[in-house]
Amino acid sequence: AQKITQTQPGMFVQEKEAVTLDCTYDTSDQSYGLFWYKQPSSGEMIFLIYQGSYDEQNATEGRYSLNFQKARKSANLVISASQLGDSAMYFCAMSPNSGGYQKVTFGIGTKLQVIP
Amino acid sequence: EAQVTQNPRYLITVTGKKLTVTCSQNMNHEYMSWYRQDPGLGLRQIYYSMNVEVTDKGDVPEGYKVSRKEKRNFPLILESPSPNQTSLYFCASSSLQGTKNIQYFGAGTRLSVL
Repeated sequence: AQKITQTQPGMFVQEKEAVTLDCTYDTSDQSYGLFWYKQPSSGEMIFLIYQGSYDEQNATEGRYSLNFQKARKSANLVISASQLGDSAMYFCAMSPNSGGYQKVTFGIGTKLQVIP
Repeated sequence: EAQVTQNPRYLITVTGKKLTVTCSQNMNHEYMSWYRQDPGLGLRQIYYSMNVEVTDKGDVPEGYKVSRKEKRNFPLILESPSPNQTSLYFCASSSLQGTKNIQYFGAGTRLSVL
């Protein structure tokens, strides 16, 4: 069974500052993938970043980076130089990487508000 | 344009009246899923499909049915909707890129069951 925990219901960050959104996970799979999605107020779900459990380096995509600490089972999203358009819900998710790829588990999300 | 299309976007219905939410993707993806999103609960997987005629239950399948007769379509069927199925529903599709299973989501269907 997979479980994703996001313990920050809401976060505030000043524009241009960096912010870390927390995500911890639990799984019995040896190989798995971790994802972050963004959901703006308009409602669509937007893929941000992916980290494989055997990837040696932390994933980065532009201003997004994933701070992956396997031993701690954490996969925190770091957004650098926050912009007003970053205000949204952010969801952490995971799925197995060997069979069962479609069994995806999401966290409950963190609402980020960027303050001008 | 690559996309996942859900219809309708908004639906108000009454308890017990069968309904279908359609989902179609034009990316030739093998995998498709349905989720429901509720405040404080995040997204929960209802059903998923690995390919045509291959489906399996997610975490909250009760009260829902799906079918995958064509690769591009994955409709969600509520045979007898109840008020506790009032929710925001998302369809998603994906295809493996190595071991990456990045999902592309539809715009969502907001369902109210009275």
